[in-house]
Amino acid sequence: AQRVTQPEKLLSVFKGAPVELKCNYSYSGSPELFWYVQYSRQRLQLLLRHISRESIKGFTADLNKGETSFHLKKPFAQEEDSAMYYCALSGTSYGKLTFGQGTILTVHP
Amino acid sequence: DGGITQSPKYLFRKEGQNVTLSCEQNLNHDAMYWYRQDPGQGLRLIYYSQIVNDFQKGDIAEGYSVSREKKESFPLTVTSAQKNPTAFYLCATRLAGGKDTQYFGPGTRLTVL
Repeated sequence: AQRVTQPEKLLSVFKGAPVELKCNYSYSGSPELFWYVQYSRQRLQLLLRHISRESIKGFTADLNKGETSFHLKKPFAQEEDSAMYYCALSGTSYGKLTFGQGTILTVHP
Repeated sequence: DGGITQSPKYLFRKEGQNVTLSCEQNLNHDAMYWYRQDPGQGLRLIYYSQIVNDFQKGDIAEGYSVSREKKESFPLTVTSAQKNPTAFYLCATRLAGGKDTQYFGPGTRLTVL
């Protein structure tokens, strides 16, 4: 079975502060991990995926297989980063995504 | 993402009625998915289809039904057997055989009165 856990429902930081959204997963094979973001009044969209090893909007995420984690980080948060963030795992050939519960990030001015 | 449309945006239903949610895509993607989004629970997979005329149950299929007669369309019917149908429903597509990225529609909010 595959499971994704995001321990924080709400996360608040001030503009310019570092932010880290936690994600832990449970999967016996080699997973693909994703971060999706949902801004207010917009559809859910892909932020980044671990195999791309890229930085999007200043966010990065490193897959730590030893700790089974895929935390999302940004060194300096911006107000426009305020959104709902979902961590997701794909471990099957048919592309099923298992989502975490989501974290609402609020960046205060 | 503009290639995935869901209608209607808001839907109200009386208890005991079946209702069908539409999902249409022009991305030429093979795979389509239906998720349900509830506060504090993330997204949960209802049904998915990898190819026309074939679909599989997801994690919470009870009380739902789907069809995939055309590549572009994957309608979801919420039946009266669904115990707690009030939720936000998201349709997604994926280019099968390619990257695993899923693309999401704007969603339909269903409220049972």
